[in-house]
Amino acid sequence: QVTLKESGPVLVKPTETLTLTCTVSGFSLANPKMGVSWIRQPPGKALEWLANIFPNDEKSFSTPLKTRLTISEDISKNQVVLTMTNVDPSDTATYFCARIQQVWPDVFLDYWGQGTHVTVS
Amino acid sequence: EIVLTQSPATLSVSPGERASLSCRASQTITNNLAWYQQKPGRAPRLLIYGASIRATGIPGRFTGSGSGTEFTLTINSLQSEDFAVYYCQQYNNWPPRHTFGQGTKVEF
Repeated sequence: QVTLKESGPVLVKPTETLTLTCTVSGFSLANPKMGVSWIRQPPGKALEWLANIFPNDEKSFSTPLKTRLTISEDISKNQVVLTMTNVDPSDTATYFCARIQQVWPDVFLDYWGQGTHVTVS
Repeated sequence: EIVLTQSPATLSVSPGERASLSCRASQTITNNLAWYQQKPGRAPRLLIYGASIRATGIPGRFTGSGSGTEFTLTINSLQSEDFAVYYCQQYNNWPPRHTFGQGTKVEF
């Protein structure tokens, strides 16, 4: 059974760094056909893609946020970590991680975590 | 940067009717498009990928179509559980950048 679970602080102060962890089970982060994505959703607003990471350490970031984001993984711990620097109240959102499934040429998000709500204040 | 524009923002339909949701890409993305359904307080659920391939367990009343820059999600014979917000997402190029549209809310 594939599961993803986000964890991190509920409340962060402006200008601080936010660190979120996605712990996965039911699949391996070393699987070349899979990766992990981070997505966020401000209250009442649309989904916003943030970053992806793949087993060969290939990464991609949202253009507006790329200077503030880092993504890394610890395969032995089944964890992917997203950090966002210099947070602002506009970063208040529910943050989701999701599994990326590659079925060439398709690269889609087939399993999602429940999300973790972060308030910047 | 590819931008996805969804229309309408809100679609009012009755149970049993058909709903057609549109997603337009700012440049061609061939068939590299997925659709997700999100209900309040829940994580999104994958419905369609490759523009027209239903994900595992998705009922046949959900149909995706289109290619290039114009895409449609059609929901036939709407059920009560289908009232939700629907997002399109593109993943053109490598490494993929999974940008989303702004969503269409399907309401009664």
